[in-house]
This record gives sequence, structure tokens and C-alpha cells, in this order.
Amino acid sequence: AQSVTQPDIHITVSEGASLELRCNYSYGATPYLFWYVQSPGQGLQLLLKYFSGDTLVQGIKGFEAEFKRSQSSFNLRKPSVHWSDAAEYFCAVGPNAGNNRKLIWGLGTSLAVNP
Amino acid sequence: DAGVIQSPRHEVTEMGQEVTLRCKPISGHDYLFWYRQTMMRGLELLIYFNNNVPIDDSGMPEDRFSAKMPNASFSTLKIQPSEPRDSAVYFCASSRGTGRNQPQHFGDGTRLSIL
Repeated sequence: AQSVTQPDIHITVSEGASLELRCNYSYGATPYLFWYVQSPGQGLQLLLKYFSGDTLVQGIKGFEAEFKRSQSSFNLRKPSVHWSDAAEYFCAVGPNAGNNRKLIWGLGTSLAVNP
Repeated sequence: DAGVIQSPRHEVTEMGQEVTLRCKPISGHDYLFWYRQTMMRGLELLIYFNNNVPIDDSGMPEDRFSAKMPNASFSTLKIQPSEPRDSAVYFCASSRGTGRNQPQHFGDGTRLSIL
């Protein structure tokens, strides 16, 4: 069955520390992969996406993610976290063939940042 | 450019009442998605449209839920009659039709409370 797993429900880091949020997927073929961020009371905003090519992708707000096919993972990283990065982060996968446009979503990781 | 616009932002109503949520997608986007977000179930896709035609409504919980897209710039999600378990945040998202890797752009959501 297709699924996305974000193993960490909640993470707390200190401001200035590095961050890695994990995402593992189960899919029949190489999917398209997305990371979104949701601030309180707002909708989801795209951070970055991977669909082909270089497996290390850069996104907005200083985030990057690396696609590792052998591990079925697409982990999100940031070298130095800012207090404004406190939010909910969602990983999602979508099909790279056919007409289906449904995304499969992880349950999210809540990030808290200590001053 | 204007993003996805949802109204109302908040809705509080009593059980049994009809609820109508509205969405205006980004101009030029061919796909429109309705999601429901709860703490227990995360982000669930209810239905999505392509060129105003419903493509997949398998996520619609039951017959009390209906969605329409009468034109390219407007969609509604209706719940009749509403029940307390329908309380959630409902998001609308839209995306371009050219390529499966096109990201979904989310509105700020409607927070629905059924008393």
C-alpha cells in the first residue's frame, strides 16, 4: 500500500541548531516528492519538491531535502534554525505517471524552536 | 498574484444546519482540491476537480457532503445536515494542469465548528 511516514511527531531544537525532519515513503515507483510547511492558522506552503535530476533539492527559507531511492526517504534539512521556523511540516508524495493527481500525505512533524 | 481564497475563515453553527464553504482558485489553475484536516486523521483529500469536472470523490465521507464547481473560478463544499464530528479545518487548494509535479497552492482554510 502507498504510504508516507513521518516518524517524528514533535521535535524541539534550539535556535541556531541544525535540523533534520524525516520522511519515508512506500510507493510502487519513483514518485514526485514534496515538503510543505504550515504556520498556525494558515494553509500549507510549498517548501520544495523533487521530481527528477539532482537528488539534493533546494527550497525556500534555506531548506533543502535529499532524495535517497535506496532508503525510500526524502529528509528535510536546515543548517541553522530560526525561531520563525516553528511550524508543522508535511511530506507528501504523488504519482509520476497516469492521470491521478492525488497526493499521499504524512501526518506531519511539529517543530518547536527554543530561544 | 492573489492566492487561493476561502470563505468564511471561521464558521460556528449548530448540528443539523447546512454549511457551505467557498473557494476561489488561482486564476489559470486547472485542478481544485478540497481537504479536511483534523488532529486525529491529519490531512484528508475529500474530492478533486479537473477543468470543473469531479475526478475523484472517494474521500467524501458520506452523502451529507457534496461539492460543486460551476465554473473555473468558484467551488463550494456543502454539508447538510452538519454533525459535530464534521468539525475540522477545511482547505481548498489549486494547481496548474501542466505536469504532475505542479505543486498545490493552499488557501488559509475554513475552521468549522459544529455545536
